[in-house]
Amino acid sequence: DTAVSQTPKYLVTQMGNDKSIKCEQNLGHDTMYWYKQDSKKFLKIMFSYNNKELIINETVPNRFSPKSPDKAHLNLHINSLELGDSAVYFCASSQGGLAAGGFFGPGTRLTVL
Amino acid sequence: GEDVEQSLFLSVREGDSSVINCTYTDSSSTYLYWYKQEPGAGLQLLTYIFSNMDMKQDQRLTVLLNKKDKHLSLRIADTQTGDSAIYFCAESPNSGGYQKVTFGTGTKLQVIP
Repeated sequence: DTAVSQTPKYLVTQMGNDKSIKCEQNLGHDTMYWYKQDSKKFLKIMFSYNNKELIINETVPNRFSPKSPDKAHLNLHINSLELGDSAVYFCASSQGGLAAGGFFGPGTRLTVL
Repeated sequence: GEDVEQSLFLSVREGDSSVINCTYTDSSSTYLYWYKQEPGAGLQLLTYIFSNMDMKQDQRLTVLLNKKDKHLSLRIADTQTGDSAIYFCAESPNSGGYQKVTFGTGTKLQVIP
């Protein structure tokens, strides 16, 4: 059984479009995260939710809006996509605040043309 | 701000030992981690060390921490081709709460058969 799953795995879209990436975890964890990994492999945290509440919100353009309908899901919606948004987006989850001790999803490779 | 640096690339022969190095700047770092990322996959936590420890060993993995120099290393004994991956060093300032985790740039390990 997949612990942290993301859909889609690949996403190719045009500049200016709006797209969503979905994440689900079946581990019963109370904290979920979105990370962005750019082409140089830099990995940066974007958002973190604990029990559906936003607890970490890094300096991310407000075109990015996370939504957590329940503890097991954290979706990422991106408006007006730009070329610089091209990256791999990883969802992760953990129990409590030990962010780096969590489980990561397989990633969603977003390509903006 | 926090900064974590690693060399970008390491090549070793199968059966040799690999040593991946990392330096960090945040003196309040409490937890230091090593993650492994295989091609097309998310990050997998390999091991972590508390800042009050100098060394931790886990089967083929040995983590050494020099807190004075803010230097962390990961030694992989008897390196196998399956160890080929990108290895990320990461640090976080505390164990409680919802702290941010800072990742290094990643070191790509190539194991030559």
